[in-house]
Amino acid sequence: SQQGEEDPQALSIQEGENATMNCSYKTSINNLQWYRQNSGRGLVHLILIRSNEREKHSGRLRVTLDTSKKSSSLLITASRAADTASYFCATDEWGNTPLVFGKGTRLSVIA
Amino acid sequence: NAGVTQTPKFRVLKTGQSMTLLCAQDMNHEYMYWYRQDPGMGLRLIHYSVGEGTTAKGEVPDGYNVSRLKKQNFLLGLESAAPSQTSVYFCASSYSQGNYEQYFGPGTRLTVT
Repeated sequence: SQQGEEDPQALSIQEGENATMNCSYKTSINNLQWYRQNSGRGLVHLILIRSNEREKHSGRLRVTLDTSKKSSSLLITASRAADTASYFCATDEWGNTPLVFGKGTRLSVIA
Repeated sequence: NAGVTQTPKFRVLKTGQSMTLLCAQDMNHEYMYWYRQDPGMGLRLIHYSVGEGTTAKGEVPDGYNVSRLKKQNFLLGLESAAPSQTSVYFCASSYSQGNYEQYFGPGTRLTVT
C-alpha cells in the first residue's frame, strides 16, 4: 500500500493564522486529493491536483505537489474556527486504482 | 438530491451476530466504496464496486461481504461480527476513480461487544 502520511498529526493555531499540512507518499501517483472531515461526519472533498500540476488554488486553500520529493502540502490561509477538522490526503496510482488515504492531520483553530 | 445515505447510523451487535449496512446514492455514480475508520488509522478500503453487479476487494476485506445488485445501492455484510470490527463505516461513491472526487455518506458507528 502506498498510503500517504500526513504531517503533523495534530496542529493547533490561532484564528487568522495560516495552517500548513504536509503529505508524503511512497510511489508514483496519478492524482492527489485533499479531504476535510468535521468531527462525527463524512469526508468532504477539497481539491484535486494531478501529477503534472505543481500548484492549485481554491479560495483560501493552496495545494502544492512536488513529485520529485513525493510530497504535497495544503495551506489554509487566514484560518477560522470553522476550519477545525481533520484533513486527509489521498492518492491513486496510474491504472484506475482506488484512492488510498493517509491517517490525517487534526487541525484546531482557536478563536 | 440526498447524495450518499447510510443506514443505520448506529448499531450495537453481540459477537457472532450478523448485519447488513446499506448505502444508497442518487448521483448515478458507477463507483461505490466501503471504508472503515479506526482511531489513528485513517480510512481503509474494505471493498469497492466499479459498476452494477461487480465487486472487488480492498485493503481489509476479511470478515466482510458486499453486493451491488442495483447501481444506486451497495450493501456491506458482516456474517459473524467480531469485536475487531468495532469501527465507523463510511460509504462513498464517485463517477470514476482517481481523477474524480468521492462523495461520502455520514457514517455508521458499529460496536461489537
